[in-house]
Amino acid sequence: DGGITQSPKYLFRKEGQNVTLSCEQNLNHDAMYWYRQDPGQGLRLIYYSQIVNDFQKGDIAEGYSVSREKKESFPLTVTSAQKNPTAFYLCASSGTYTVSEQFFGPGTRLTVL
Amino acid sequence: DQQVKQNSPSLSVQEGRISILNCDYTNSMFDYFLWYKKYPAEGPTFLISISSIKDKNEDGRFTVFLNKSAKHLSLHIVPSQPGDSAVYFCAASVTGTASKLTFGTGTRLQVTL
Repeated sequence: DGGITQSPKYLFRKEGQNVTLSCEQNLNHDAMYWYRQDPGQGLRLIYYSQIVNDFQKGDIAEGYSVSREKKESFPLTVTSAQKNPTAFYLCASSGTYTVSEQFFGPGTRLTVL
Repeated sequence: DQQVKQNSPSLSVQEGRISILNCDYTNSMFDYFLWYKKYPAEGPTFLISISSIKDKNEDGRFTVFLNKSAKHLSLHIVPSQPGDSAVYFCAASVTGTASKLTFGTGTRLQVTL
């Protein structure tokens, strides 16, 4: 089955701890994205990557970091610098950076206690 | 600065009737528009899209209309079914850029029996 997997589904962390969210795709897509969803708000872009070993900041990158060492993987680290980390995090991918249709993973609900 | 707006946070429609979801945008550079459907605690799934060179695109029960002069698009679902109950997001992008999507805040559709 081709698709995007995110793990874990639910994640709890103590305030001040860094946490890394996993995103893996086997769709052979070049581009990958991380979004954050908060209640009553749309999806906001955190980081995106058009190709391996390259990534750009989205609209709300502060307090987050990413890496893109492999085509299939785009992990997101939520650092202690992120002031409001509790949210629903969504990873997506698209065939190339010029293709607008993005395919989303199931999401990770992060709760910081 | 909300470049994509969905002014109706919720909509209730009877089964079998037409559902009309609206979306407005402010950025005249947007030339590709998409609708996504999202169930709670899941990732959004792509529904239908439209390029700015068209004013209508149809796929089964789903039709998207684009009015460029008014910077307005709408999604029509006919006939509405209970399984259509979900949150619908419109999104916009500029073709040829990094395929970044700008999302609206979503409209929750409830299809009642």
